[in-house]
Amino acid sequence: AQTVTQSQPEMSVQEAETVTLSCTYDTSESDYYLFWYKQPPSRQMILVIRQEAYKQQNATENRFSVNFQKAAKSFSLKISDSQLGDAAMYFCAYKYGGSQGNLIFGKGTKLSVKP
Amino acid sequence: EPEVTQTPSHQVTQMGQEVILRCVPISNHLYFYWYRQILGQKVEFLVSFYNNEISEKSEIFDDQFSVERPDGSNFTLKIRSTKLEDSAMYFCASRPDPFEAFFGQGTRLTVV
Repeated sequence: AQTVTQSQPEMSVQEAETVTLSCTYDTSESDYYLFWYKQPPSRQMILVIRQEAYKQQNATENRFSVNFQKAAKSFSLKISDSQLGDAAMYFCAYKYGGSQGNLIFGKGTKLSVKP
Repeated sequence: EPEVTQTPSHQVTQMGQEVILRCVPISNHLYFYWYRQILGQKVEFLVSFYNNEISEKSEIFDDQFSVERPDGSNFTLKIRSTKLEDSAMYFCASRPDPFEAFFGQGTRLTVV
């Protein structure tokens, strides 16, 4: 069975600094997708970034980037120039490839941003 | 920008009552999901729905739960005979194949 592990329950970063959130996963599939979702206090789930397993290049979305290490089954999220609005729960999620497939979430990391 | 819409945003119900949570997925999406998140815990998959039938369900999704897409736009989750432990945030999501799921803003269900 696929699992997603986030080993950091809480993280803190100074405004304008960089922070990295860790995620590891376990799967026997070769075709899959990985995601980072942000959940602010409003509790809505917002997609931050997506990585296709077949792509070697790490995904980047503005201040957000990932370090995807397929062999190590590691998928960390780097937030550069942290802003107060980045404070939220961050969930790493896995979906196996193909048309079917639900998301499997990690337990989340609560990120605090200090002014 | 199209979005997934869930109603109500908050539902309070008495234990043993039935509730229906409603969702309007994004119109051109094909796959629909319900997830739940008990306060302070991770998001858990309940059920997926494709081509007017359940395609996958978790062990949480027992006979107490049912889903329906009655009119081609709404996607509902019915919980019969609610229990205290059903209190959670319930998220509807939809996606175009094979990409990321778009989530609604959630319905907070409180069973008292």
